[in-house]
Amino acid sequence: DAGVIQSPRHEVTEMGQEVTLRCKPISGHDYLFWYRQTMMRGLELLIYFNNNVPIDDSGMPEDRFSAKMPNASFSTLKIQPSEPRDSAVYFCASSLVGGAQSINYGYTFGSGTRLTVV
Amino acid sequence: EDKVVQSPLSLVVHEGDTVTLNCSYEVTNFRSLLWYKQEKKAPTFLFMLTSSGIEKKSGRLSSILDKKELFSILNITATQTGDSAIYLCAAATTSGTYKYIFGTGTRLKVLA
Repeated sequence: DAGVIQSPRHEVTEMGQEVTLRCKPISGHDYLFWYRQTMMRGLELLIYFNNNVPIDDSGMPEDRFSAKMPNASFSTLKIQPSEPRDSAVYFCASSLVGGAQSINYGYTFGSGTRLTVV
Repeated sequence: EDKVVQSPLSLVVHEGDTVTLNCSYEVTNFRSLLWYKQEKKAPTFLFMLTSSGIEKKSGRLSSILDKKELFSILNITATQTGDSAIYLCAAATTSGTYKYIFGTGTRLKVLA
């Protein structure tokens, strides 16, 4: 099992540019989560999906952020236009609720995308 | 508003010391509490706690949950430099939907 795969690993972009982060969850997992981590605020839940449907996007900071999950094996988080305060590590995580893995292991996180907006 | 608070925010100890990390939570429809260790990359799972008073152990790490007082502790005995990391706790809530609320973490540094 390759785990949760995120790309790119690092992204440096100029203010105002569009940024797209990608995530491939673990096959068979029915929940997918996007988190943002900063020193000041820790891990913040941005949005999560259940069976490809967005369930709770109350953590999305503003309209510049959008997320999609067109199928069970792929999700994107887009920021347009990007701003320096968006600089953070963005994590994707997936889980299988009710399955043995979720009961015993909670989420499985990807390695994250470190975004720097200059 | 659901929240999870960890303390201390950071901690520096010497190898061999014992440390206790704290996590308090206020969430609706609490389901479980999880501890994660985060080194350079993604958080990795340590423990999931669902019942009060039952200690979970893994080597030098142990954790316990108090659902009456709404807190959990993570103990690390005989610390080693490899224990240096950010330790995160998260409370799972099923209030309408299913999600985890994370604390900001405790940054532990173990000196040789």
